Amino acid sequence: DQQVKQNSPSLSVQEGRISILNCDYTNSMFDYFLWYKKYPAEGPTFLISISSIKDKNEDGRFTVFLNKSAKHLSLHIVPSQPGDSAVYFCAASGTNFGNEKLTFGTGTRLTIIP
Amino acid sequence: DAGVTQSPTHLIKTRGQHVTLRCSPISGHKSVSWYQQVLGQGPQFIFQYYEKEERGRGNFPDRFSARQFPNYSSELNVNALLLGDSALYLCASSYGTRGQRNSPLHFGNGTRLTVT
Repeated sequence: DQQVKQNSPSLSVQEGRISILNCDYTNSMFDYFLWYKKYPAEGPTFLISISSIKDKNEDGRFTVFLNKSAKHLSLHIVPSQPGDSAVYFCAASGTNFGNEKLTFGTGTRLTIIP
Repeated sequence: DAGVTQSPTHLIKTRGQHVTLRCSPISGHKSVSWYQQVLGQGPQFIFQYYEKEERGRGNFPDRFSARQFPNYSSELNVNALLLGDSALYLCASSYGTRGQRNSPLHFGNGTRLTVT
C-alpha cells in the first residue's frame, strides 16, 4: 500500500524554466511533509518542508505547496539550474506516530537540459 | 563538521550469511534511523533508536535487528540473508527531541549490500 505516491518517474525541463514535481498521499494522519534530493552515490539531502497548518513554504528558488483537501503537494523550482538534476523524493510524517518515521514516495528523476 | 558516516560502503554476501552495518551520527545527534532503499523505490523505514532505546520499527522480519551504543553510533544486523535483501541501506541521524519540524533527518551515503 503506497501511502505516498510520485506518479512521474522522470521529468525533463529546460534550464531557466520552472520545474514542478508532484506528490500525492493517502494517509490523513500525515501532518508534515518534506522534500529530499538525491544525487547518485550520495544519501538523500533535505531540501524543504511544510507543516499541514500551512499551504505554502518558500526557500530561495524552492517553493512547496500543500493542498490538504486534495492530499497533494508540489515542489516548484524556479529558475531551474543544471545542478538541480537529481532524484527528488517526497516524504511524509505524522506527530501521532510517536517516532521520526518518514514514509517516502518512489522518487522523480529531474533532468535539467542546458 | 562531519556528516553521518556509514561503513562499509559496499558489501557482497552469500545467501544465508549475516551482515553488520555501522553508522556514526552527526555530533550532538542522539537519534539514529535505518532505511532500506531497493532499486527503483524510495527509502523504507526499518528502525529508529533514541538514547539506546528502540522508538520505532518498520514492517521488516525479525531477521533484521539493530542497536545503539552509548556514543550514539548504531549497528544494523541482518541474519539469514536473502537475495531480496540486496539494497542500499541508509542511516540517518537527528537530535531526536525536536521532531521533523526543527530537526530533519540527515542521511549518510549508505551501504550498498549485494546478496548472491
